[in-house]
This record gives sequence, C-alpha cells and structure tokens, in this order.
Amino acid sequence: AQSVSQHNHHVILSEAASLELGCNYSYGGTVNLFWYVQYPGQHLQLLLKYFSGDPLVKGIKGFEAEFIKSKFSFNLRKPSVQWSDTAEYFCAVEGHTGRRALTFGSGTRLQVQP
Amino acid sequence: DVKVTQSSRYLVKRTGEKVFLECVQDMDHENMFWYRQDPGLGLRLIYFSYDVKMKEKGDIPEGYSVSREKKERFSLILESASTNQTSMYLCASSPSGHGGWTEAFFGQGTRLTVV
Repeated sequence: AQSVSQHNHHVILSEAASLELGCNYSYGGTVNLFWYVQYPGQHLQLLLKYFSGDPLVKGIKGFEAEFIKSKFSFNLRKPSVQWSDTAEYFCAVEGHTGRRALTFGSGTRLQVQP
Repeated sequence: DVKVTQSSRYLVKRTGEKVFLECVQDMDHENMFWYRQDPGLGLRLIYFSYDVKMKEKGDIPEGYSVSREKKERFSLILESASTNQTSMYLCASSPSGHGGWTEAFFGQGTRLTVV
C-alpha cells in the first residue's frame, strides 16, 4: 500500500522568506505526484503535478517541486512567500498499478506573517 | 470550469440517523471519490467509483456505503451515524486518461456534525 509523509505540520514564515515543504512517499513502483492547496474557506485545488519527464515541475503562483526518485521525495518550494500563501498544503501520490486513487499526506499548515 | 457540487456545506445529525451526502459533477468524469478530512490526518479515502453502478472500498469504508446510479452523481451514505463520523467530507471527480488520470477536482466539502 502507498503512503505519504509530510514532516512539517505547521510552518510560520515572514513575507519574502523562502519555503520548502517536505514530502516523502512509500510505494514500490512508478507514481504520479501532486501538491494540492486549500486556502481558508475554499476547496482543494491543484498546485502542480508530476507524471514523467523533467523532475523539476513548476506550478501556479510561483511554486515548484522536485521529484527525487532515489529519496522517494517530492518537496515543494517557493523562493519568496506572500501573505496570500497562507493555506494548508497537501502532498498526494497515485501509483501506476493497483487502485487509481490519490493517497494524501497529513498536510502542512503554512502561516505567512506580514 | 469543472464543477463538483456537494449538496450541503453544513449538516447536523443525531446519532443513529441515516445520513445522505450528495455530490454532482458537471464534466462527464468517469471517476468519483469520497474522502474525509480530519485535522492532523489529512484526507483519507472512503470509497471511490470508476463507472456507473460500480464502487470500490478505500482505506476507511467501515460505517459507510455509496451509490452511483448516474455518471454525474455519487452519494455517500452513513447507515447509522455515530459521533466519530463528525468530520469534513470531500467529494472529488476526475477523468480517465492515458496512463492514469490527470487531476482530481474537489467540491467545497460538507462539514458533518453528529450529536
């Protein structure tokens, strides 16, 4: 069975600070990887996804993530956060075999202080 | 824009009641999912469906059932609500694609309180 670990549960940053949120997954095969974001009071929406090819993927709002296969990691980064990035961030994985459904991590709550 | 609509934003039900949570998507997606979201636990998959009249158990199906009579509608049923089912319930849909599917689109969620 696949699983996802997000090590940072609550992160507090000042505006313009750099962000890196950790995500590690466990799965014995090829995966698709995703980061979703949930802004306060809003529905989950996709930030970025990795299916294949270039392991550095760029998403919306200046976010990017790097897939490191040897480390089973898919960390999310942003060079300079804004107050509007305050939200909860979820990493998710889908294996290429077996059930075709997302497995999510426990989430990281990001609070950006002005 | 893909729209996934959940029938209620907030629900309060009594222990032992039968509860129906409805979800409708308007993009002709094959796949539909029900998750529950709890603080510190993220989203956990309850049930999913790849086609009309079919269903698959997720990671936490106990105490729940589902129904998919039409492609656009996926209902989650709590047969006898209990207080430990107080949670945020999220519905999602996705298209089937080559090598898997592209992304899941989520509804706004239903916050269910069982008293």
